Amino acid sequence: AQSVTQLGSHVSVSEGALVLLRCNYSSSVPPYLFWYVQYPNQGLQLLLKYTTGATLVKGINGFEAEFKKSETSFHLTKPSAHMSDAAEYFCAVSQEGAQKLVFGQGTRLTINP
Amino acid sequence: EAQVTQNPRYLITVTGKKLTVTCSQNMNHEYMSWYRQDPGLGLRQIYYSMNVEVTDKGDVPEGYKVSRKEKRNFPLILESPSPNQTSLYFCASSLSTGRAIYGYTFGSGTRLTVV
Repeated sequence: AQSVTQLGSHVSVSEGALVLLRCNYSSSVPPYLFWYVQYPNQGLQLLLKYTTGATLVKGINGFEAEFKKSETSFHLTKPSAHMSDAAEYFCAVSQEGAQKLVFGQGTRLTINP
Repeated sequence: EAQVTQNPRYLITVTGKKLTVTCSQNMNHEYMSWYRQDPGLGLRQIYYSMNVEVTDKGDVPEGYKVSRKEKRNFPLILESPSPNQTSLYFCASSLSTGRAIYGYTFGSGTRLTVV
């Protein structure tokens, strides 16, 4: 069975600082990996995804993530945090033929002025 | 605009009073699914549907029912709600069954409180 672990339920960074949100997955087959963002009182919005090919994936709003098979990781980064990045972030895993996304527990990102 | 629409956004109800949360998508997606979101647990799948008249249980189906009579609609039914079903619910759709490569499009959520 597939699973996702997000390290840190809360992450706080200063505006302009590096954002690093950690995600490790477990999958016995090649995974599809996703990062979603949830702003207050809104649904989930796809930030980026990895399916095949290039392991460094760029998404919206300046975010990127790197698929590292040897480390079973898919960490999300942004070089310089902005106040508007404050939200909850979810990592998710799936695979070809699967009927669901399996989500991590989420990481709430706070940006300090 | 391509979207998944859920109603209502907020609902407070009493234990045992049947309710339905509606979900509709305008993208002609085959696949639809319901998730519930609880603090510290992330999102967990309740039910999913691969096409009209085809539904199946997810990870936490107890206490819920669904139907898929039309491609665009996938209502979630709680026939006898209990306080442990207090949660934030999301409907999602995807272009193709079994092709997770497309990811999901989510609705805005329904916050349900059962007292």
